[in-house]
Amino acid sequence: DSGVTQTPKHLITATGQRVTLRCSPRSGDLSVYWYQQSLDQGLQFLIQYYNGEERAKGNILERFSAQQFPDLHSELNLSSLELGDSALYFCASSGSGTGGYEQYFGPGTRLTVT
Amino acid sequence: GDSVTQMEGPVTLSEEAFLTINCTYTATGYPSLFWYVQYPGEGLQLLLKATKADDKGSNKGFEATYRKETTSFHLEKGSVQVSDSAVYFCALRRSGGSYIPTFGRGTSLIVHP
Repeated sequence: DSGVTQTPKHLITATGQRVTLRCSPRSGDLSVYWYQQSLDQGLQFLIQYYNGEERAKGNILERFSAQQFPDLHSELNLSSLELGDSALYFCASSGSGTGGYEQYFGPGTRLTVT
Repeated sequence: GDSVTQMEGPVTLSEEAFLTINCTYTATGYPSLFWYVQYPGEGLQLLLKATKADDKGSNKGFEATYRKETTSFHLEKGSVQVSDSAVYFCALRRSGGSYIPTFGRGTSLIVHP
């Protein structure tokens, strides 16, 4: 058990809809990272938050957004969903904003867009 | 930019065989290197790491040595088990600039009894 929790575990929704994925980092970790994993694209970094502030952006679509709350949990919002958004979404946390520590990954949310 | 190249899988072995999964990297400076493992239906877990040249990371019978001269961090295990079947990811994090790790595409390992 990594100590990182993600909900829900599975999500099935229709094209055009909006969903919210939730992540709680390990106790004490200030950094949260979001990744998308698909068969054809591998593991893609989306965005990082550190102590409530956006720290780095990767290949995140404009239809996607994220935030980190004062209690350090984070949410990833995906809107105007397309079939191609079907993937595993992982959250990871680490101990410092510099990423000086290894990452601890949650179990993921499997999103299926129909 | 930074990049990590892993051998393509799947790698299929019989139980007790020797395992090598190749990983080479491109990065400026002196990155830290990691191997993560993803078991079916789970998230990635850190398997081992090395933070400077010639360091050897080891865990659960797996080893990898940070070779700066060949920019490599190959994963090895002397005798694999069926329970080692998983996807293995090589990753790096540079010591300066971006602190976002760069991951390889992953190598699937299948071990048959």
